[in-house]
Amino acid sequence: DSGVTQTPKHLITATGQRVTLRCSPRSGDLSVYWYQQSLDQGLQFLIQYYNGEERAKGNILERFSAQQFPDLHSELNLSSLELGDSALYFCASSEAPSGGNTIYFGEGSWLTVV
Amino acid sequence: QKEVEQDPGPLSVPEGAIVSLNCTYSNSAFQYFMWYRQYSRKGPELLMYTYSSGNKEDGRFTAQVDKSSKYISLFIRDSQPSDSATYLCAMSAPGNNDMRFGAGTRLTVKP
Repeated sequence: DSGVTQTPKHLITATGQRVTLRCSPRSGDLSVYWYQQSLDQGLQFLIQYYNGEERAKGNILERFSAQQFPDLHSELNLSSLELGDSALYFCASSEAPSGGNTIYFGEGSWLTVV
Repeated sequence: QKEVEQDPGPLSVPEGAIVSLNCTYSNSAFQYFMWYRQYSRKGPELLMYTYSSGNKEDGRFTAQVDKSSKYISLFIRDSQPSDSATYLCAMSAPGNNDMRFGAGTRLTVKP
């Protein structure tokens, strides 16, 4: 158990809908990351937050947004869902935002868009 | 060209074999190199962490980094069926932690 908690574990929704994925980082970690893993794209970095502020942005679509709340939990919002958004979404956390800090992954939220 | 290249395999070896997993990269700014192990679509777990060039050993696992060639390796000695998983290389540069991952190599160790 990495200490990173993600909900829901599985989610099935229709195209055009909107979903929210939730993440609680490890105790003491201030930085949260979101990754998308699909069969054909591997593990893709989406976005990083540190202590409530956006720190780095990767290949995140405009239909997706995220935020980190004062209690440090984070949410990833996915809207206008398309079939291609079906993937495993991972949240990860680390103590600090800088390079070299070990990041710990949650178990993922499996999203299926039908 | 992808920033991090990793042969996706699959790789199948008999129990007890030495396994060699490799990644190449193009960004010379990368200084931190990691190997993660992922079991059947579970969350990746950190296996090895190396800073800059050199070797690091932990039990049956050895990580090597050759920055001059932009090449990293993970060796698994005396491989066990429980080592069957997908192995992902990852790397990051100083100043940011948006790690770049390889595609992952799927390893099966047969009893």
